[in-house]
Amino acid sequence: AQSVAQPEDQVNVAEGNPLTVKCTYSVSGNPYLFWYVQYPNRGLQFLLKYITGDNLVKGSYGFEAEFNKSQTSFHLKKPSALVSDSALYFCAVRDIQAAGNKLTFGGGTRVLVKP
Amino acid sequence: DAMVIQNPRYQVTQFGKPVTLSCSQTLNHNVMYWYQQKSSQAPKLLFHYYDKDFNNEADTPDNFQSRRPNTSFCFLDIRSPGLGDAAMYLCATSRGGGHSDGYTFGSGTRLTVV
Repeated sequence: AQSVAQPEDQVNVAEGNPLTVKCTYSVSGNPYLFWYVQYPNRGLQFLLKYITGDNLVKGSYGFEAEFNKSQTSFHLKKPSALVSDSALYFCAVRDIQAAGNKLTFGGGTRVLVKP
Repeated sequence: DAMVIQNPRYQVTQFGKPVTLSCSQTLNHNVMYWYQQKSSQAPKLLFHYYDKDFNNEADTPDNFQSRRPNTSFCFLDIRSPGLGDAAMYLCATSRGGGHSDGYTFGSGTRLTVV
C-alpha cells in the first residue's frame, strides 16, 4: 500500500521569507510524486512532479521540491513567499508498480503568509 | 484550452432530494474520478471510471452513484442527500495506463444540504 504524510497542519511564514512544506511518502516500488495547491472554493491545481532524473524539480509560481530517496521525502520549497501563496497544499504519490495506479493524497498543509 | 469543467459551482439541495453533479472534459482522458472533500481535508476518492469500467471504492456509501455516458461526461448522483453529504465534490481526469501524469481537476461543486 502507498501512503503520504504531511506532518504539519499549518505553516506560518512572513512574506519574503523562505517557505517549506514537508511531505514523506511510502511505496513498495518507485514513486511518482506530485504537489498540488488549492485556493478557497477551487479545485486542485498542479504545481510540480517528480518522475525521474534530477532530484530538484522546479514548478509553477516559483515553487520547487527536492526528492530524497533515502529519507523518502519530497518537501516543497519557495525561496521567498508571497501573501498570494496562502492556500492549502497537498502532496500526492503514485506507485508505478501498483495496480490501478491511483494517486494517494496527504492530509494537506495550510500555508499562511503574513505581510 | 483543454480542461475539466464542473457544473454547477454551487448547488443547494434539500435533505433527501436527489441531486446530480456534472463533469465534462475536453482532454480525451480515459479515466474520470469523483472525490469528496470536507472542511479542507484531503480529497476522498468515491469512485472512478476507466473508459466504461466503473470502479467503486470499498467505503463509498450506496447513496452515491455515477454514470459515464461517453468519454467526455461523468455524473455524480446522490440519491438521498443527508446533512453529512455537504462537501466540495471534485472531478478529476487522467490518462490510462502506467503514465507519469498527475490528475487534472475541475474547479469543484460545493454542495449544501438544507
